[in-house]
Amino acid sequence: DTAVSQTPKYLVTQMGNDKSIKCEQNLGHDTMYWYKQDSKKFLKIMFSYNNKELIINETVPNRFSPKSPDKAHLNLHINSLELGDSAVYFCASSQPGQGNTEAFFGQGTRLTVV
Amino acid sequence: SQKIEQNSEALNIQEGKTATLTCNYTNYSPAYLQWYRQDPGRGPVFLLLIRENEKEKRKERLKVTFDTTLKQSLFHITASQPADSATYLCALLASGGSYIPTFGRGTSLIVHP
Repeated sequence: DTAVSQTPKYLVTQMGNDKSIKCEQNLGHDTMYWYKQDSKKFLKIMFSYNNKELIINETVPNRFSPKSPDKAHLNLHINSLELGDSAVYFCASSQPGQGNTEAFFGQGTRLTVV
Repeated sequence: SQKIEQNSEALNIQEGKTATLTCNYTNYSPAYLQWYRQDPGRGPVFLLLIRENEKEKRKERLKVTFDTTLKQSLFHITASQPADSATYLCALLASGGSYIPTFGRGTSLIVHP
């Protein structure tokens, strides 16, 4: 069983479209994250979310919004896509507070905006 | 501003040698420091965690040191193998409760047979 799975793996879309990336974890973790990895491989946090708190990286445009229907899912919605949104997006989860704060990552979604 | 710096140049070494990668940080008070491995087209995979009050951690051929005075962590792979070739990322988790992993850019390691 895949611990953190995200779909789709590849997403090609036109500028101005709205798209979603889905993420599910079966680890029972309370906290989930979205990261963006740009062409220079820099992995930057976008959101951190648990059932109590959403922490947003202030540099993330408000066209990006996380939506969590339940503890096991954190989807990423992106409105009015721009060329600069092209990147690989990673979902991750962890259980902070138990001493071992290891994060588990999905396989990534490569988004290409044309 | 907060910075996590890893050598952006690839590290090339011969099989069997020890690889040493560096992670330096400024304006951070990390409670934990982690090392991850990332292969092309894959997500990062956790390798080791070291706490702020620990100096050294080992796991099989891996060793991590953490010097909070120098604000530096060293990551060693002994008896390196071509299969160790990958990008290695360090991540800091700040004290204060949120424990969001904040990553450096990573260093590419290439082990030549």
